[in-house]
Amino acid sequence: EDQVTQSPEALRLQEGESSSLNCSYTVSGLRGLFWYRQDPGKGPEFLFTLYSAGEEKEKERLKATLTKKESFLHITAPKPEDSATYLCAVGNNDMRFGAGTRLTVKP
Amino acid sequence: KAGVTQTPRYLIKTRGQQVTLSCSPISGHRSVSWYQQTPGQGLQFLFEYFSETQRNKGNFPGRFSGRQFSNSRSEMNVSTLELGDSALYLCASSLAQNYNSPLHFGNGTRLTVT
Repeated sequence: EDQVTQSPEALRLQEGESSSLNCSYTVSGLRGLFWYRQDPGKGPEFLFTLYSAGEEKEKERLKATLTKKESFLHITAPKPEDSATYLCAVGNNDMRFGAGTRLTVKP
Repeated sequence: KAGVTQTPRYLIKTRGQQVTLSCSPISGHRSVSWYQQTPGQGLQFLFEYFSETQRNKGNFPGRFSGRQFSNSRSEMNVSTLELGDSALYLCASSLAQNYNSPLHFGNGTRLTVT
């Protein structure tokens, strides 16, 4: 069965302290790996799509990378406004979501 | 371009009642999916519709049903509500139907069952 596991569950950073979030997956045939950001009381907001191992995407302080077994979301010099829950999802025979990483960035 | 619109934003219902939630997808998107989100279970897939046909269904009881109209708008219905149905219900639309395109979510309907 397809599985998506995100770690850590929660992460607290000081402003400017860079870190990475992990999304490991087991699927029979990856059609796409997706990263989302979700703020409290809102729906997930699409960030990136990755299709093949070695691919990278960047947007402001965020950079997503993909290997055959996992994806990382690197956050460089985060700011308090980056605080949110970050979700990853894999597309195969359906769209399967991980439980998310709750990121808090303190000023 | 307007995003995914869900109505209503909040609902309070009593156990045993039924409820209908509505979703208008992004213009041009023909795939609509529904998810239930709770703190303990995360995002759980309910069902997906494409061109008025249910294409995929998650592991939820038959009390949960949905449909899609010819203009791609979708509704989901929950009958005989239980306390455990309290959750954020999210609708998402997508351009393609092969799970290789991102989902675009609405802000959800917060359902509280008392």
